[in-house]
Amino acid sequence: QLQLQESGPGLVKPSETLSLTCTVSGGSISSSNYYWGWIRQPPGKGLEWIGSIYYSGTTYYNPSLKSRVTISVDTSKNEFSLNLSSVTAADTAVYYCARAAVLLWFGELLLNPSDIWGQGTMVTVSS
Amino acid sequence: ETVMTQSPATLSVSPGERATLSCRASQSVSSNLAWYQQKPGQAPRLLIYGASTRATDIPARFSGSGSGTEFTLTISSLQSEDFAVYFCQQYNNWPPITFGQGTRLEIK
Repeated sequence: QLQLQESGPGLVKPSETLSLTCTVSGGSISSSNYYWGWIRQPPGKGLEWIGSIYYSGTTYYNPSLKSRVTISVDTSKNEFSLNLSSVTAADTAVYYCARAAVLLWFGELLLNPSDIWGQGTMVTVSS
Repeated sequence: ETVMTQSPATLSVSPGERATLSCRASQSVSSNLAWYQQKPGQAPRLLIYGASTRATDIPARFSGSGSGTEFTLTISSLQSEDFAVYFCQQYNNWPPITFGQGTRLEIK
């Protein structure tokens, strides 16, 4: 059974870089059928898609975060990572990693909704 | 960016009754609309995709409908475990993939 697990520091200082890793177990991150993504949720608020990556390294990012976000993949370790630079208190959130199946919709690439999620990890930005 | 608006923000319903949640998109998302359920301290759980297809192991009391810009999630007979927050998500016009702000379903 496929499982995802987030890891990384729970506290990051303002202006520094938030770094998280998602380890995939019970299956291969190199499957051609899936993208792997990050989604966050500030306390008591809604969900925000950060971005997604394919095993080949192709990435898609939320334009609102694109200038600060890098998502990378390490197929040898079966994991993918999130770096978010120049963080502020507004980046305080639970960060989830999740899997999304590839969907071809009338010739266009879409990502199906995420069907498997990690448990989430709380990251607080504070000095 | 496609903005998703859910209503109401909070819905109070008695166990055994029907609950109807709404989601509106600022532009057409075709049928590429999903619903998630989230309980406190847990990750979201996929309920519905393609506007009306139940995800794996989702009970038949959950149903979705709609296309274009107007969508509905119906829970036919509320069980105690159904009281949670529900989010809609569009994945047609991306990036970015966008979510609604959520509807909290509470016990009346």
